[in-house]
Amino acid sequence: GQQLNQSPQSMFIQEGEDVSMNCTSSSIFNTWLWYKQDPGEGPVLLIALYKAGELTSNGRLTAQFGITRKDSFLNISASIPSDVGIYFCAGRTSGNTGKLIFGQGTTLQVKP
Amino acid sequence: DTAVSQTPKYLVTQMGNDKSIKCEQNLGHDTMYWYKQDSKKFLKIMFSYNNKELIINETVPNRFSPKSPDKAHLNLHINSLELGDSAVYFCASSQGRVQPRFGPGTRLTVL
Repeated sequence: GQQLNQSPQSMFIQEGEDVSMNCTSSSIFNTWLWYKQDPGEGPVLLIALYKAGELTSNGRLTAQFGITRKDSFLNISASIPSDVGIYFCAGRTSGNTGKLIFGQGTTLQVKP
Repeated sequence: DTAVSQTPKYLVTQMGNDKSIKCEQNLGHDTMYWYKQDSKKFLKIMFSYNNKELIINETVPNRFSPKSPDKAHLNLHINSLELGDSAVYFCASSQGRVQPRFGPGTRLTVL
């Protein structure tokens, strides 16, 4: 079945550092999403990407939809302690109600 | 503003029991989902309903039966609970290009 490979699996960084994580797939996606999950809560949408090559920012977060439509990355600049959580990429192959496939998640820890 | 709500938040039960989880959304979305998050935090879709009709049904044991009485509600009934059913179950809803919004999750523990 379709899979998303997300890396790294976990990161432990110092406050103020920049962070980068990415997702790759053997399948082509028409939508890439990035979610963040805090402990004990549901995932919250950070950024949605709809076109190959699209680069979108949300505050200190920047994400890109890869040209090949098989990958995406998320960057976080100048990390702060509240960035701690699990970051998930997710991709959809068709339409708006097609199945959303999630990556395995990147656990981010930030040391003050 | 409670957008997607689930009840209960925690559910502890014995193997073999039957239980239900309820989900409600007040966003006016026409598509609702159930996802399962396992102990390794992997999120996998189970079911999706669009306007009360089942449109996605992943390889899920038929002990799991979703029911959508109306567009705003999607419930999940689980028969004969097994140890492996222990997980966090998330409800979500979406509409058009408005991407899925998740509920707070129901942590199910089967003893």
